[in-house]
Amino acid sequence: GEDVEQSLFLSVREGDSSVINCTYTDSSSTYLYWYKQEPGAGLQLLTYIFSNMDMKQDQRLTVLLNKKDKHLSLRIADTQTGDSAIYFCASEASSGGNTGKLIFGQGTTLQVKP
Amino acid sequence: GAGVSQSPSNKVTEKGKDVELRCDPISGHTALYWYRQRLGQGLEFLIYFQGNSAPDKSGLPSDRFSAERTGESVSTLTIQRTQQEDSAVYLCASSPLAGANTGELFFGEGSRLTVL
Repeated sequence: GEDVEQSLFLSVREGDSSVINCTYTDSSSTYLYWYKQEPGAGLQLLTYIFSNMDMKQDQRLTVLLNKKDKHLSLRIADTQTGDSAIYFCASEASSGGNTGKLIFGQGTTLQVKP
Repeated sequence: GAGVSQSPSNKVTEKGKDVELRCDPISGHTALYWYRQRLGQGLEFLIYFQGNSAPDKSGLPSDRFSAERTGESVSTLTIQRTQQEDSAVYLCASSPLAGANTGELFFGEGSRLTVL
């Protein structure tokens, strides 16, 4: 079945770059997403990439997509303590047509040390 | 309200009792989703509603789980005869139109269910 895998935990020092990696199985996803979940809050869309792109940059965020290897990464430059959160990678479920249903990874907890 | 609203935010119940969780989507959003987030795990898709179409129930883990939605408004997720493994955060999300634009989902803060 469709699956999205992420590492569970990443710890970095404030000011360093963070790289969160994700692999997925379904190559038919039109978009791939990164959602952020802060403590006690719901998930919020952080950024996304269209499947025909290799890279997308948005201020401190860089998303890299390797379609051949089905690998997605999120780089956060100059990581701040406010970036501490759980980051979820998601792909679109191919089953059921264009429903907007997403398949989420387990989430990567990013810990930023001052 | 401006965002997706869920209630209750916290629910503690005894094994075997029924629980009902409510979701109020963003006004005008035709698509509504329920996900479950167990401790330390990713989000599991449960059910999806789109307008008047038949819901996609493919993620419901057992027949103890059911959900309803009235038109394009409120949805309730019902868990009958709760078990300890049902303990999780139940997240509701809505979307303006399935497949539109980037397909961004707007999530509520979730209902944390604890079954003793």
